Amino acid sequence: GAVVSQHPSWVICKSGTSVKIECRSLDFQATTMFWYRQFPKQSLMLMATSNEGSKATYEQGVEKDKFLINHASLTLSTLTVTSAHPEDSSFYICSAFEGGGEDEQFFGPGTRLTVL
Amino acid sequence: AQSVTQLDSQVPVFEEAPVELRCNYSSSVSVYLFWYVQYPNQGLQLLLKYLSGSTLVKGINGFEAEFNKSQTSFHLRKPSVHISDTAEYFCAVDNTGGFKTIFGAGTRLFVKA
Repeated sequence: GAVVSQHPSWVICKSGTSVKIECRSLDFQATTMFWYRQFPKQSLMLMATSNEGSKATYEQGVEKDKFLINHASLTLSTLTVTSAHPEDSSFYICSAFEGGGEDEQFFGPGTRLTVL
Repeated sequence: AQSVTQLDSQVPVFEEAPVELRCNYSSSVSVYLFWYVQYPNQGLQLLLKYLSGSTLVKGINGFEAEFNKSQTSFHLRKPSVHISDTAEYFCAVDNTGGFKTIFGAGTRLFVKA
């Protein structure tokens, strides 16, 4: 099956710094990528939908200036958490949508962000 | 608007016993339905999906699910579980076209020896 990678797998940073998380589709082109956030023992909450070459569509309640998303190519989307604070600590998961009629999202392994 | 309800937050079961994880959804349009499994500190892995056709869907690791339109349910079953099936299971729905997936709250399956 299709493979999606995320880097880094975990990161610890100081409050006030920015952190960039990469999501790559390794063996297919992803016209659409999704970013999710998952709190401990909770479900995934969609943060934004990222389309290659256009601005991301953010879900209600997600701050665009806080969570910057760039989908620069068909295989790479990045999420930058700007001026991170402890409440931003979470598990961030991306997924890539291959399209082509199969309607399947392929999920990355996730990135654990801890803000001190 | 769509929603997904997973009726059990935790399901403890003994090894080799059968298990059913319940999922109900609501939607005003046709939907696609999915079950995913998540192991600790990992992303999601697709177990199975219903897009159309036969209402009984077979997936990986011996799991199957049945789409029941009249009851708006998509329950996940396995006739005999293993210790390795211990994980979090998520039911998900999106409208046909797949551009906004809604996840249930998850069910923690705990298989005991």
